[in-house]
Amino acid sequence: ETGVTQTPRHLVMGMTNKKSLKCEQHLGHNAMYWYKQSAKKPLELMFVYSLEERVENNSVPSRFSPECPNSSHLFLHLHTLQPEDSALYLCASSQGGQDAHEQYFGPGTRLTVT
Amino acid sequence: TQLLEQSPQFLSIQEGENLTVYCNSSSVFSSLQWYRQEPGEGPVLLVTVVTGGEVKKLKRLTFQFGDARKDSSLHITAAQPGDTGLYLCAGGGFKTIFGAGTRLFVKA
Repeated sequence: ETGVTQTPRHLVMGMTNKKSLKCEQHLGHNAMYWYKQSAKKPLELMFVYSLEERVENNSVPSRFSPECPNSSHLFLHLHTLQPEDSALYLCASSQGGQDAHEQYFGPGTRLTVT
Repeated sequence: TQLLEQSPQFLSIQEGENLTVYCNSSSVFSSLQWYRQEPGEGPVLLVTVVTGGEVKKLKRLTFQFGDARKDSSLHITAAQPGDTGLYLCAGGGFKTIFGAGTRLFVKA
């Protein structure tokens, strides 16, 4: 595997389900990111992990819970989601911590909440 | 709050035409990145511009960073159907912000 991989690529879940999205980067980077991309809205940064420290967007609801066990793996745990959470969830990685500029994205997980 | 505004939002052109898309802000950025995203995929990094006034070329794509480092432009010469996609500008380093993008469609 090369680059940034995400699984699953597609996920349909009910509002009472619990699921997790997985991201793995094979680039040796030290920072990983979760973004939400909704139709007609800019990419929204949800969480950043750099050197395993977490930085978060305070507007992200608590029904989204990230986990970063090491610098290569990132999870997004989902529970009690709402239909408006349906979106493309993108993972990215970069090298350089707070000065990082260039991010490398995975293909995304298309999430539908029914 | 830093914001990046992209224009136009949508552009549909014929193969062979030239086009320019813009990324503007009232804030100064230490660098700006341009990405292209195709349907069902994640954004792919095209270029980073760092120095005010900098011009970078990537085949038929020319990127320019404004002198004041508040804006950037992307010019495509002789567009091809393969250039179709969503073009995003981004800046801010660690806590990156993205513009809403310009959706380009190049008709054969």
